[in-house]
Amino acid sequence: EPEVTQTPSHQVTQMGQEVILRCVPISNHLYFYWYRQILGQKVEFLVSFYNNEISEKSEIFDDQFSVERPDGSNFTLKIRSTKLEDSAMYFCASRVNEKLFFGSGTQLSVL
Amino acid sequence: AQKITQTQPGMFVQEKEAVTLDCTYDTSDPSYGLFWYKQPSSGEMIFLIYQGSYDQQNATEGRYSLNFQKARKSANLVISASQLGDSAMYFCAMRDFFSGGSNYKLTFGKGTLLTVNP
Repeated sequence: EPEVTQTPSHQVTQMGQEVILRCVPISNHLYFYWYRQILGQKVEFLVSFYNNEISEKSEIFDDQFSVERPDGSNFTLKIRSTKLEDSAMYFCASRVNEKLFFGSGTQLSVL
Repeated sequence: AQKITQTQPGMFVQEKEAVTLDCTYDTSDPSYGLFWYKQPSSGEMIFLIYQGSYDQQNATEGRYSLNFQKARKSANLVISASQLGDSAMYFCAMRDFFSGGSNYKLTFGKGTLLTVNP
């Protein structure tokens, strides 16, 4: 069964460093998303992406964040200068119809 | 603003029995969608079931069914014949009315931790 693939599964970085989280959405899906889940808290929407542009972004998604679909298969989330509070599980998601499928997540730890 | 309430922080069930996980929602939008996801201890978020607010029948996916009561604004998940592998955190989520097309912003509940006992 097709699935959303995320790499790496774990990422440890120093505060102030740039990180890129990678995702390969399901191949026939058209809409792409990033969500995050801080430990013990609710899952939060970050950004939606369609037709090579951002459709909507949350207040969390400030200038330090960016997304890109560099080719026909990858979808990336970049955090330019990481902060301690960026530590979370980051989920990529994609859909073609009503059902939204998530990847297995990247656990980001900022030290 | 949308709100999802899961009142059961934890639930226990015996293997092979059925269990109901509660979810109530609050919205004034005429159109919305409701989801359930499973999050095992390994952390991934697994899609289980979807119910549209205008769907005539309750959604079912294998052992999962959604008991949708629109007037009561509830969307409870029923898991039949529980298995040990069902032990996980379960999240109810709702799609925003304005999240049609490219926008698809889900609001999540706090989750219910289900433990299946042998």
